Amino acid sequence: RKEVEQDPGPFNVPEGATVAFNCTYSNSASQSFFWYRQDCRKEPKLLMSVYSSGNEDGRFTAQLNRASQYISLLIRDSKLSDSATYLCVVNIKSGIQGAQKLVFGQGTRLTINP
Amino acid sequence: DAMVIQNPRYQVTQFGKPVTLSCSQTLNHNVMYWYQQKSSQAPKLLFHYYDKDFNNEADTPDNFQSRRPNTSFCFLDIRSPGLGDAAMYLCATLGSGRMQFFGPGTRLTVL
Repeated sequence: RKEVEQDPGPFNVPEGATVAFNCTYSNSASQSFFWYRQDCRKEPKLLMSVYSSGNEDGRFTAQLNRASQYISLLIRDSKLSDSATYLCVVNIKSGIQGAQKLVFGQGTRLTINP
Repeated sequence: DAMVIQNPRYQVTQFGKPVTLSCSQTLNHNVMYWYQQKSSQAPKLLFHYYDKDFNNEADTPDNFQSRRPNTSFCFLDIRSPGLGDAAMYLCATLGSGRMQFFGPGTRLTVL
């Protein structure tokens, strides 16, 4: 079983639609959680952290359910510029004391159509 | 201003010819990472450092080595690149709040 699993998509939706991404993780000791965005042939960029209480940043809402080991991202009123790959990322302790490492899901590709 | 810098951005090498990719950071972060990302796949962690302490992932091929001579610099050496090593190589650092800062990546082509 993969440590972080996402639906790879692709998702093709019209502009203005609401899109939801889901992600599950296997390591119950995971410490922090993120959504990253990656544009074609570019490096991943942090979109938002995910907290148990849920958090919102403009059109983006992230939720974490620790009991179910489940993370979600909701994009409302999608824009053409939201087209990208969205990566679910989990931070766990590494093999070096005091350090951590990120484990990435394979990403969900999103295309917003005009 | 760029905080994690990778050179070169594009690297072409021949099958079996050693290649070194470099990464530098202006953030003074203790932790640095090297990831390999192949097309349509997630970034895969190869190595990471906490200061001089080094950890390589269990499935990182022996063909891959890394060096970190000081806080600012980290190198990835591929001793005998194969066609399967063609990928984007991403360097990252770990900052406060457990957020990673990625460099722009080096795209490696193996001929």
